[in-house]
Amino acid sequence: GAVVSQHPSRVICKSGTSVKIECRSLDFQATTMFWYRQFPKKSLMLMATSNEGSKATYEQGVEKDKFLINHASLTLSTLTVTSAHPEDSSFYICSVSGGILSDTQYFGPGTRLTVL
Amino acid sequence: GEDVEQSLFLSVREGDSSVINCTYTDSSSTYLYWYKQEPGAGLQLLTYIFSNMDMKQDQRLTVLLNKKDKHLSLRIADTQTGDSAIYFCAEKMGGGNKLTFGTGTQLKVEL
Repeated sequence: GAVVSQHPSRVICKSGTSVKIECRSLDFQATTMFWYRQFPKKSLMLMATSNEGSKATYEQGVEKDKFLINHASLTLSTLTVTSAHPEDSSFYICSVSGGILSDTQYFGPGTRLTVL
Repeated sequence: GEDVEQSLFLSVREGDSSVINCTYTDSSSTYLYWYKQEPGAGLQLLTYIFSNMDMKQDQRLTVLLNKKDKHLSLRIADTQTGDSAIYFCAEKMGGGNKLTFGTGTQLKVEL
C-alpha cells in the first residue's frame, strides 16, 4: 500500500486565523487525494476530492471558500482552514488513491485541529 | 447518500473470535472495505473484497459478503489485545472512487 504523512499532527490556533494542513504521499504518485473530517466517536465525513492539477470537488454543505484545497503535485495536497472558528475544531484526515491503487484509499495519520 | 450501519460496540475475550457486522444499502457497490482506526490515528486498510466474491481470507481475517442481504462481516480469529480499535466498513459505488463509511464498531478485547 501507500505511505501517507500529514503535517502537523496537532495544531492549536486562535479564532480568526488560518491553518494549513499538508498531506504527502511518500512512496506513491497519487492522482487523487481525499480530505475527510471526523468528529469524536463518529464516522468519517468526506469533505472534498481533489485530482492533481484540477480544482477540488466539494461535497454538499462544505464551504469551498472556507476549506481551500490545493493539489499541485502527485505527492502533495494541502487543506487550508481559513478564518478558523471553534466549530472547525476536528480531526482532519487525508487519503490517497490512483494508478494501480485506484481501487483503494490509503489514509494519513490525521491532524487534530483545535481552535480556541 | 447511502447509509452504512454497524453496531457500536463489541467486547470479546482474548483468544476468542470477533465478528463485526455491517449492512449497506447500495446494491451497485463494487468494492467493500474494512479499516481499523486506533485512538488518535488515521485509518489502516485491513482488507477488501470485490462484490462478485462471497468470501476472502487473509491470515486471521475472514470477510464474508452476502450481496442478497447487503451484509458484510469481518471475523478476526484468535483476537488479541492489539486488535482493540474502531473498525469501519466502507463501500465504493460503481463508477466512482468515493467511499461511504459505516458508523464504526468499537472492539474491546479483554484479558
